[in-house]
Amino acid sequence: AQSVTQLGSHVSVSEGALVLLRCNYSSSVPPYLFWYVQYPNQGLQLLLKYTSAATLVKGINGFEAEFKKSETSFHLTKPSAHMSDAAEYFCAVSSNSGGYQKVTFGTGTKLQVIP
Amino acid sequence: DTGVSQDPRHKITKRGQNVTFRCDPISEHNRLYWYRQTLGQGPEFLTYFQNEAQLEKSRLLSDRFSAERPKGSFSTLEIQRTEQGDSAMYLCASSLDRGIYNSPLHFGNGTRLTVT
Repeated sequence: AQSVTQLGSHVSVSEGALVLLRCNYSSSVPPYLFWYVQYPNQGLQLLLKYTSAATLVKGINGFEAEFKKSETSFHLTKPSAHMSDAAEYFCAVSSNSGGYQKVTFGTGTKLQVIP
Repeated sequence: DTGVSQDPRHKITKRGQNVTFRCDPISEHNRLYWYRQTLGQGPEFLTYFQNEAQLEKSRLLSDRFSAERPKGSFSTLEIQRTEQGDSAMYLCASSLDRGIYNSPLHFGNGTRLTVT
């Protein structure tokens, strides 16, 4: 069974500081991994996805994530936090489950940006 | 691409009443998903459609829940005899089947259900 674990339900950073949101996955087959962002009272928006073409994936809004198979991790980073980055972030893993694409989400990390 | 649309955005109902939510996916997307999200949790899978066929249902989907996708276009999710535990955000997502399993899901803004 596939799953993702997000370490830290809340992360606070100062504006301009590095953002690091952690995600570890468990999958019996090579995984497809995603990061989504959710703003209050909205649906989820895709930030980036890993599909094995490159281990360092660049996404929207200056975010990137690095796939590390040896650590089963897919951490999300941004060099310099902006106030508009305050939101909840979800890591997700996708795989073939009986012929359909099963997508399983982590419990989320709420990012607070302090001015 | 007008995005995934969900209606209504908010629904308040009394325990025991039936409610129905609608989702209009991106027009060319043949996959449609329903998820439920409670406070402080990630989205939990409820059910999946490939065109008009409902191919997978979670054990979370009790007999009081039913979903349809007639003609492979819009979808409805009905909850009968609502309970307070049904209070949650119900999210619809769609994706395009390219024969691979890494298509990103496109989400609507959800329907927030409150059962009083």
